[in-house]
Amino acid sequence: QVQLTESGPGLVHPSETLSLTCTVSGFSLTGYSVYWVRQPSGKGLEWMGRMRYNGDTSYNSALKSRLSISRDTSKNQVFLKMNSLQTDDTGTYYCTRDMGNWGQGVMVTVSS
Amino acid sequence: DIVMTQSPFSLAVSEGEMVTINCKSSQSLLSSGNQKNYLAWYQQKPGQSPKLLIYYASTRQSGVPDRFIGSGSGTDFTLTISDVQAEDLADYYCLQHYSYYTFGAGTKLELK
Repeated sequence: QVQLTESGPGLVHPSETLSLTCTVSGFSLTGYSVYWVRQPSGKGLEWMGRMRYNGDTSYNSALKSRLSISRDTSKNQVFLKMNSLQTDDTGTYYCTRDMGNWGQGVMVTVSS
Repeated sequence: DIVMTQSPFSLAVSEGEMVTINCKSSQSLLSSGNQKNYLAWYQQKPGQSPKLLIYYASTRQSGVPDRFIGSGSGTDFTLTISDVQAEDLADYYCLQHYSYYTFGAGTKLELK
């Protein structure tokens, strides 16, 4: 059974760095790509970036300067790091396998 | 970047009615290589993760009721829900994945 679970701090202070982990089961990170998508509270979905099955990454051009995605295949984990957080980065962050199977999401609030 | 224009922003319907949601892309999503349109539709209920309904513009994901119909090609796409049920009340998003990934702004389907 395919499962993705996001984890990370619920609260981040402005200008700090967000670090999130997506832990997967039921499939291999070397066989499928994992994407990060976020959703500001009450708003729409935004694709953030992708970790391809072969280790290549790609990023939303609007976030590229602040964003980094990496992985540890031995731990079945994909990581997201985004720096210089502001209040409009508040929302729910999802990881998804090939945009088909989704995690439940993790809520992140940026506030002092 | 490809821009996705989704309409309407919201839609109030009664059970049993048919509804149509539209998405227009700023460039063609049709691949000349495999003649597939790189357009997907998602349903998101309150407090839940997005759920993939339709991919390649018109292929229903396994388990999706046949009252959900995707159509269109090139730059103009439609999601039709025939015989709307109360369980269909949700937000709907289109997603282009022809060149990176861009979501439409979403359509909220509400009960009249």
